[in-house]
Amino acid sequence: QKEVEQNSGPLSVPEGAIASLNCTYSDRGSQSFFWYRQYSGKSPELIMFIYSNGDKEDGRFTAQLNKASQYVSLLIRDSQPSDSATYLCAVKSSGGGADGLTFGKGTHLIIQP
Amino acid sequence: ETGVTQSPTHLIKTRGQQVTLRCSSQSGHNTVSWYQQALGQGPQFIFQYYREEENGRGNFPPRFSGLQFPNYSSELNVNALELDDSALYLCASTPRPGTDYNEQFFGPGTRLTVL
Repeated sequence: QKEVEQNSGPLSVPEGAIASLNCTYSDRGSQSFFWYRQYSGKSPELIMFIYSNGDKEDGRFTAQLNKASQYVSLLIRDSQPSDSATYLCAVKSSGGGADGLTFGKGTHLIIQP
Repeated sequence: ETGVTQSPTHLIKTRGQQVTLRCSSQSGHNTVSWYQQALGQGPQFIFQYYREEENGRGNFPPRFSGLQFPNYSSELNVNALELDDSALYLCASTPRPGTDYNEQFFGPGTRLTVL
């Protein structure tokens, strides 16, 4: 059973600070890792993806991947109230066949003005 | 570039009925995946369609079925609706399957309520 675990939160962070979101996964064969943002009542929006160990930066967002520890994280710098949302970690295993993603339950992030 | 669209936005059905949800993939994307998202949960993979055939399936019973059409649009059909089928149904498209570069882009979803 492939599992993706996230702390459900809520995670409360002051405006302007760094928000750190974490995710662990069970399938060592996982190759691709995604972070989605989901506002209440809306569909998930892809914000970052990472395939290789290390860091990947895109604007205020940094994704970090450690395959040995089966750990993925997302850092949001200079957090803004508009960043308040649920952040979903998703993982795709390698190999052919279904390309379905396995999602965690999400972390509810609150940025306090 | 046109994004993923879904219809209808909301739907109310009663237990035992059948429902059809529709999805148009993003321009240039030939693969469509369907997910079910219950309240407070992450999306769960139902199945994927590529070249009009089911390309993979998650842990959902056969009463969940689908179609893909030559224009890459897709339908999700659910028979014998149960109360637990109440959820947000999401369609996602991706440029090509079978690779590790599998960015999936979601449509706005269909909110299904089963009474």
